[in-house]
Amino acid sequence: AQSVTQLDSQVPVFEEAPVELRCNYSSSVSVYLFWYVQYPNQGLQLLLKYLSGSTLVKGINGFEAEFNKSQTSFHLRKPSVHISDTAEYFCAVSVSGGSYIPTFGRGTSLIVHP
Amino acid sequence: GAVVSQHPSRVICKSGTSVKIECRSLDFQATTMFWYRQFPKQSLMLMATSNEGSKATYEQGVEKDKFLINHASLTLSTLTVTSAHPEDSSFYICSARSPGQTIYGYTFGSGTRLTVV
Repeated sequence: AQSVTQLDSQVPVFEEAPVELRCNYSSSVSVYLFWYVQYPNQGLQLLLKYLSGSTLVKGINGFEAEFNKSQTSFHLRKPSVHISDTAEYFCAVSVSGGSYIPTFGRGTSLIVHP
Repeated sequence: GAVVSQHPSRVICKSGTSVKIECRSLDFQATTMFWYRQFPKQSLMLMATSNEGSKATYEQGVEKDKFLINHASLTLSTLTVTSAHPEDSSFYICSARSPGQTIYGYTFGSGTRLTVV
């Protein structure tokens, strides 16, 4: 079965600074990878996804992520964060040939300080 | 794009009573919907997969008699927490898969905060 590890439970950063949220996965088969954002008391919104092709994936709100197969990682990055980026971020993985229902990591709380 | 509406957003109920949460796909038909439970500062745990016109498929460890799921139409799935207890307090989120999508077409509702007192 697949699993997802988000290494940081909380990442504080100052506004306009760059940020990286780390995600590692485990799977014995090909994977599809996702990052979702959750604002307080709301559902999840898809930020970006990797299905195949280019390993650098660009998403909404200026976020991007890079798929590294050798390191089984899919880290999320943004070169300059805003206060409004403060939220919970979830990495998720689904595997090919299965139900495609995503498995989520524990989440990383991004806190942007002024 | 696809929109999933979930109601209520917050509910407080007394211990021993039942609570129903609705999940509607507003502009598409969803043959499959999913129910998740989220504990504070933790990930989403899949509780069950709701299939229109048939019985839901529950994940291991989820009590099907406590968490009743009904998917009577292509746009509505409901989760009823029966005989609720304080330990059932949690954030419940539904998700629906967009038509024609299998890999990533999941749209999430805004969630329901259940507090059992």
